[in-house]
Order: sequence, then C-alpha cells, then structure tokens
Amino acid sequence: GDSVTQMEGPVTLSEEAFLTINCTYTATGYPSLFWYVQYPGEGLQLLLKATKADDKGSNKGFEATYRKETTSFHLEKGSVQVSDSAVYFCALDSPTNAGKSTFGDGTTLTVKP
Amino acid sequence: GAVVSQHPSWVICKSGTSVKIECRSLDFQATTMFWYRQFPKQSLMLMATSNEGSKATYEQGVEKDKFLINHASLTLSTLTVTSAHPEDSSFYICSARWTSGSEQFFGPGTRLTVL
Repeated sequence: GDSVTQMEGPVTLSEEAFLTINCTYTATGYPSLFWYVQYPGEGLQLLLKATKADDKGSNKGFEATYRKETTSFHLEKGSVQVSDSAVYFCALDSPTNAGKSTFGDGTTLTVKP
Repeated sequence: GAVVSQHPSWVICKSGTSVKIECRSLDFQATTMFWYRQFPKQSLMLMATSNEGSKATYEQGVEKDKFLINHASLTLSTLTVTSAHPEDSSFYICSARWTSGSEQFFGPGTRLTVL
C-alpha cells in the first residue's frame, strides 16, 4: 500500500538557519504530493503541493520539488523564523486509493531566536 | 482558499454520554468529508470517509457503532461519539474536498476530553 516516510524529529534550529525536512514515499500510480503545517492546537493547513513529476511547490519561502526518480518531496526553507515553529506533515493522494490521503508521522520544528 | 469549520472547538463530557461534532464547508460543496483522530505528538489516523447521501466507509479497527457519521448535505457532516469513555479523549479533525482528486481542506479540530 501507499506510505510516506518523514525525517524523524524533533528538529531545533536557530533563526535564519536553513531547513530541510526529508520526505520519501511509496505509491502506485502517480500521486499528488503535499506538505501541511499544523500550529499548536490547530488543524492542518496546506503549505504547498505538487501534482506531477518535477513540479515545484512553493509558499511562504518554503519549497519542495516532486522527484519521481527518487520518490522524494523534501521540504526546504532558506531562512527560518520563530513563527515557523510547528509540526510539518508530508502527505500523498493516490488516484488508486479512493481519494484518501496518506500522511507521514509529522516532524516537529522548533526555531529559537 | 476554502474554509472548513468545526463545532465545538473543544468539549468536556462525562463518561457514558454522547458527543456530536459538526464539520461544515463554508464556501464550497463537499462531496467527500474525512474524519481523523490525532493523538498527542502523533500523525493523523483516518477514521472514516463520508460521502454525501451514502453511508460512511470506516477504516479497519474503527467501531462504526461507536463513531456515528452522518453526511446529510453537501456542506455538513457530523461525528457522534456514543457512550464516550476516557480512552476516546483525543483531537478530532475533519477535512473536506469538493471532488475526487481535489485537495483536502481541514477544519481546525475539536478537542474532546472525557472525564
């Protein structure tokens, strides 16, 4: 079945540091890939997405590129801020999975001033 | 983007009582809604998929008689936790999509505490 594997956390960085959160996936067919962010006590918000190979999703300084050859969708940001502290989830939607999403376990990011 | 609301945002109830959580898509019609459960510091666990006008499809291990799901209209789905017990305490999140293949929009979640 489909699966998503995320880099284990927690991740602690200083403000303005470079961020990478690794995400790899296993899926049948051609899935769409997503990164969601969850702030404390809230639901998930879509951060960015990519629907086909080599697409780059970007939002709020975050980027991720859909790499079919390595089945990866790593999240990056060049300079993190304290306000980026949250839990980040990588997810995929597979057309063969009845419209259901598969989520990674989440990576907690803490950015210190 | 599209907005999904949940009500209540938090609820505390006594063991043995039932609790209803509403999920509404405010500015679009949702053909499919999903209900998730999230334990502290863990990922989302899909409980069931709800399609408007039909019975919900439950994931393996989720008791359909305990977690009653109704999707009566294209903008409203409800989750009722029947005879709640302390182990049902959790963060319940719904999401909605307007058509197959479109992205999901998540509600803000409902924190349930059963005493």
